Parts: sequence; C-alpha cells; structure tokens
Amino acid sequence: NAGVTQTPKFQVLKTGQSMTLQCAQDMNHNSMYWYRQDPGMGLRLIYYSASEGTTDKGEVPNGYNVSRLNKREFSLRLESAAPSQTSVYFCASSDIGTVNNEQFFGPGTRLTVL
Amino acid sequence: KQEVTQIPAALSVPEGENLVLNCSFTDSAIYNLQWFRQDPGKGLTSLLLIQSSQREQTSGRLNASLDKSSGRSTLYIAASQPGDSATYLCAVSSNDYKLSFGAGTTVTVRA
Repeated sequence: NAGVTQTPKFQVLKTGQSMTLQCAQDMNHNSMYWYRQDPGMGLRLIYYSASEGTTDKGEVPNGYNVSRLNKREFSLRLESAAPSQTSVYFCASSDIGTVNNEQFFGPGTRLTVL
Repeated sequence: KQEVTQIPAALSVPEGENLVLNCSFTDSAIYNLQWFRQDPGKGLTSLLLIQSSQREQTSGRLNASLDKSSGRSTLYIAASQPGDSATYLCAVSSNDYKLSFGAGTTVTVRA
C-alpha cells in the first residue's frame, strides 16, 4: 500500500497564478483532510471531506477550494495564488467510525508563491 | 476553539537521557490524542494514539499518558538515541474528528 500520496512535491507560482494540489489514498478511508503548515505554527485545517460527496470548511479556508473527486481522491485548488499561501500542504485520511479514527498523512507539497 | 500548546519549543539532550515532552489543551471534550514525529522536510508519522477513555499507550521505548481532566498529555521516550532527533507534534481530535495541532517540540539528541 502506498498510503497517502501527494503531487507535486514542490511548486513555485507567481502571484495570481492558479494550481491544483492532488491527493490520493489507497486505504479505503472515508474521510480526507487538507492542512497547511507554517514555520513556528502547528498544522491548520483548510478543508475536510467527512465522506464522499461532502466537503466542509476548516480553520483557514479563504483562498482555497476543494473537490472530493471520488472516495480515493481529494484535490485542493488555489484560484489566484498569493504570497501568504506560501506554505507546506499536507493531505491526510482517516476512517471515521472506527475505534481509533487515526489520521494518516502524505509527504507534503512545498509551495512557494512569489 | 481548541488550543494546543507544546512546551518547550526545543530541547537538546545527551544520548541515553530520557525525554519528556509536554502537551496541553484547553477543551477536555476530546475524542482522542495523537503524537506524531516529523523529520525535516518530511511528512508526519503517527507514533501513538490515545483514546479519551485511556490513560496511556506504549510502543517500544515510547509511552504517552493522558490526563483529560487537566488537559495534559506527556510523551516519554526512554534512553534517547541520535535517531530520535526530530520534531514531535501533539494533536487533539474533537468530537467531530478534526485535529487541532500544537506547534511542536524540536528534539536534538547529542551523541
């Protein structure tokens, strides 16, 4: 099992450009999450999808959109990138309803907006 | 809103010493608490998960305790090794399963 995979690993954008970060999981989890990590801060939740067909805002959703394409895939889109969106983005998945509901994380996408 | 704090932000110890990492949270209505390890430039690796009904969990040299009423968890790493050098993150799950993270404790184990 690959677990949670993310593409791309690195990306540099200019202000105003758009891009989509891709995430896929092969653990048959029903829930998926997007976080961002900034220096000196913990991870903050951007959006999550509790189950296929549903998405909800997290703590810092402004400037982002998401799509739960199917049970495996959850993408994050920046429509008009801003320097404040320079960060490391992590995707995670979990199986809500199990005893543990442990979250598993991908390797991250390091995004720089110039 | 759940606030998670980890003190100290950084810790340096000689090899062989036991590590004690602290995590505190403001809302005791939690579902579970996870400890993660993060190596520089890498993703998060789950170390231990404690359910709200549990007091502790153990895995090898790692032991995590949970005192929900006082809003505290402690991660103990016995007989530290240079390979334990990393950032350790504490995350608390609310009853709707979203995680709130602390900023982490960066550990350096000196050979």
